Amino acid sequence: AQSVAQPEDQVNVAEGNPLTVKCTYSVSGNPYLFWYVQYPNRGLQFLLKYITGDNLVKGSYGFEAEFNKSQTSFHLKKPSALVSDSALYFCAVMGNFGNEKLTFGTGTRLTIIP
Amino acid sequence: DAGVTQSPTHLIKTRGQQVTLRCSPKSGHDTVSWYQQALGQGPQFIFQYYEEEERQRGNFPDRFSGHQFPNYSSELNVNALLLGDSALYLCASRLDRLYGYTFGSGTRLTVV
Repeated sequence: AQSVAQPEDQVNVAEGNPLTVKCTYSVSGNPYLFWYVQYPNRGLQFLLKYITGDNLVKGSYGFEAEFNKSQTSFHLKKPSALVSDSALYFCAVMGNFGNEKLTFGTGTRLTIIP
Repeated sequence: DAGVTQSPTHLIKTRGQQVTLRCSPKSGHDTVSWYQQALGQGPQFIFQYYEEEERQRGNFPDRFSGHQFPNYSSELNVNALLLGDSALYLCASRLDRLYGYTFGSGTRLTVV
């Protein structure tokens, strides 16, 4: 079975400071990893993905994520936070070919303090 | 280019009733998945449709069923609604699994 853990329900960061949202995963075989963002009363917006290749993945709105196979982690990062980054962030994992199911974490609410 | 379109945006139903939610995938996408997101939770996979067939199913009862049409659009049907079915229902589409899924804005279902 595949699973995702987002250990922090809430993360507060001052505007302009770097931010990190943590994610660890469990899956058989090579993982496909994703980060999505959700604004109030909206669906999920894709931020970035890791399929293979470089462990540092760059995505939308200046976000990046670092894949660490030994620690089974895929933490989301941004060098300088904006107030507009305040939202709910979900990490998700998909397993091997033939398994299309995205398994999501419980989400982390990111609040950027002006 | 329109993304994933879902209708209706909001819906209120009574316990025991049946509901149908609709989804038009992003242009060029041929695979559709449905997710249920309860309040304060991450989305949970319901099922996936490709070539008009259900290809994979999550841990949901048979009250949840779906359909995919030749134009790739999809419907989610829920019978005998329970209060616990109240949630945001998200439709997602893709062309190739390597590119990931594009999500719609969802249908907010409230069962009273």
